[in-house]
Amino acid sequence: GENVEQHPSTLSVQEGDSAVIKCTYSDSASNYFPWYKQELGKGPQLIIDIRSNVGEKKDQRIAVTLNKTAKHFSLHITETQPEDSAVYFCAASPRFGAGTRLTVKP
Amino acid sequence: DAGVIQSPRHEVTEMGQEVTLRCKPISGHDYLFWYRQTMMRGLELLIYFNNNVPIDDSGMPEDRFSAKMPNASFSTLKIQPSEPRDSAVYFCASSFTGVEGNTIYFGEGSWLTVV
Repeated sequence: GENVEQHPSTLSVQEGDSAVIKCTYSDSASNYFPWYKQELGKGPQLIIDIRSNVGEKKDQRIAVTLNKTAKHFSLHITETQPEDSAVYFCAASPRFGAGTRLTVKP
Repeated sequence: DAGVIQSPRHEVTEMGQEVTLRCKPISGHDYLFWYRQTMMRGLELLIYFNNNVPIDDSGMPEDRFSAKMPNASFSTLKIQPSEPRDSAVYFCASSFTGVEGNTIYFGEGSWLTVV
């Protein structure tokens, strides 16, 4: 099955800085790449996704970029805020990466 | 819609006991997933169903685990007998038409502790 690798496992940034999380996948047939955010005590929730016919997608402070040739995609969060602190997962559905715990320090 | 509904939210049980986790997917969704989350192993896919039929159960850890989906609105994950290493958060999730291309909606999870 699909193998999804995500890094870093933890990331700490200062409020206002940018954060980047990277994900690689193994199945070249994959064509849908979502990112999920999990807050404490809750299930993961979709925050942004991208399909294989698009190289970049942006939604306010978050963006996802995709490199199909290299089989990797990244989540970019700009102007980070304390409420961005959470665990973030990439997925090559239905399999998920190991998660990145992001801490935004005020 | 109420979202994916899981029960129980929390369960503490003794080693050797049977545990049954229950899930009601979002109405109209045709895929249902069971995941297990631990600090060590992250979010593992255990099994998923399409139209009530199991498609991939390669993530089910061993024979002590079984999952059923008797109809489109209900699924169970059973552990018998339970062991302390089964302690984890178990998530049920559902999506509509297409494993690859559609949002997976998660329930709030069932927090299982086996002592």
